Amino acid sequence: AQSVTQLDSQVPVFEEAPVELRCNYSSSVSVYLFWYVQYPNQGLQRLLKYLSGSALVKGINGFEAEFNKSQTSFHLRKPSVHISDTAEYFCAVSDHGGGTSYGKLTFGQGTILTVHP
Amino acid sequence: GAGVSQTPSNKVTEKGKYVELRCDPISGHTALYWYRQSLGQGPEFLIYFQGTGAADDSGLPNDRFFAVRPEGSVSTLKIQRTERGDSAVYLCASSLDPASGRAGEQFFGPGTRLTVL
Repeated sequence: AQSVTQLDSQVPVFEEAPVELRCNYSSSVSVYLFWYVQYPNQGLQRLLKYLSGSALVKGINGFEAEFNKSQTSFHLRKPSVHISDTAEYFCAVSDHGGGTSYGKLTFGQGTILTVHP
Repeated sequence: GAGVSQTPSNKVTEKGKYVELRCDPISGHTALYWYRQSLGQGPEFLIYFQGTGAADDSGLPNDRFFAVRPEGSVSTLKIQRTERGDSAVYLCASSLDPASGRAGEQFFGPGTRLTVL
């Protein structure tokens, strides 16, 4: 079984400031890691994913995340945020158990990012 | 259509009533997932279909919940004797196949907001 903890329920930040949204996970098996964004009244959109390889992954809209296996973390960062980044962000994991795995996602509780002018 | 669609977008019902929520996946996608997102929480897995069969229904909360996908495309989530605690946004996602789903290539619909009075 997996679990995901997003350490901040709300993060307020000023426009053009950097931001980090924190995510820690727990799993007894190897996992894939994802960040999703949800704008008001819209579906989930994947920002980025980590499957293997380089620990630093880049996604859409200037976001990036770093996988840290020893700390079981996958924090999301952006060096300069815009008003349009205001949304709720979800960290998620799925196990990659080979042929029996199908991508069942376990999500964190979400972090509401509010960018102020 | 190009994306996953869900109908209705909003459903208000009374306690004890029966409801059906519909999901139209992306054409050709064999894998289909249902999640439930309660207020202030991340989405939680309900059920996964591969083709017409429910390969994993371990997330269904109780026997009032049932889902079908008779022809391997459209899926319907059915809730009997609705309770106030069933109020949530029900999300549907699809992927081309299990391997794609495992790699995070799940495409989410906008969700159905269910309110039980």
